[in-house]
Amino acid sequence: DGGITQSPKYLFRKEGQNVTLSCEQNLNHDAMYWYRQDPGQGLRLIYYSQIVNDFQKGDIAEGYSVSREKKESFPLTVTSAQKNPTAFYLCASSDRLAGGSQQFFGPGTRLTVL
Amino acid sequence: QKEVEQNSGPLSVPEGAIASLNCTYSDRVSQSFFWYRQYSGKSPELIMSIYSNGDKEDGRFTAQLNKASQYVSLLIRDSQPSDSATYLCAVTSSGGSNYKLTFGKGTLLTVNP
Repeated sequence: DGGITQSPKYLFRKEGQNVTLSCEQNLNHDAMYWYRQDPGQGLRLIYYSQIVNDFQKGDIAEGYSVSREKKESFPLTVTSAQKNPTAFYLCASSDRLAGGSQQFFGPGTRLTVL
Repeated sequence: QKEVEQNSGPLSVPEGAIASLNCTYSDRVSQSFFWYRQYSGKSPELIMSIYSNGDKEDGRFTAQLNKASQYVSLLIRDSQPSDSATYLCAVTSSGGSNYKLTFGKGTLLTVNP
């Protein structure tokens, strides 16, 4: 089955810890994205990557880092510098060759800071 | 700051009625427009995309786009309780990148049996 997987589904972090959220896709999509969603809010873009070994900051990149070493993978690290990390994190991908703008989402990771 | 505005709702309609969801956007050069459905606790699911002025129909869903008025809407005919969800409007950002989407905060739809 083609799709986007995210792990873990739920993640608990102590203050001061870095945590890494996994995102993998087997859709052969070039572009991948990370969003954050807070209750009652829309999605806010954290980072995006259009090709391997390249990524750009989104609207709320402070306190986050990413890497794109493989086309299939786009992990997100939430660092201790992120002051309010409790949120629902969503990874998405899109096919640049097909126009690029239709984005498909993984199931999400719900991060809670204890 | 590019913005996408939606009525937060909740919008409540009886089963079998037409639900009308609206969205306005500020970036005049936006090219692509999407509607996502998000059930509580789940990730968004793409249900409609529209790129040119007019109507686009897919089953019970119709998307309508008016670029002159910077307005996009989603009509759901014969609404079912399973349509109860938050509907997110998304618009491509300009500035040379057709890959970034700006999302509205969503409209919560409740379909009452």
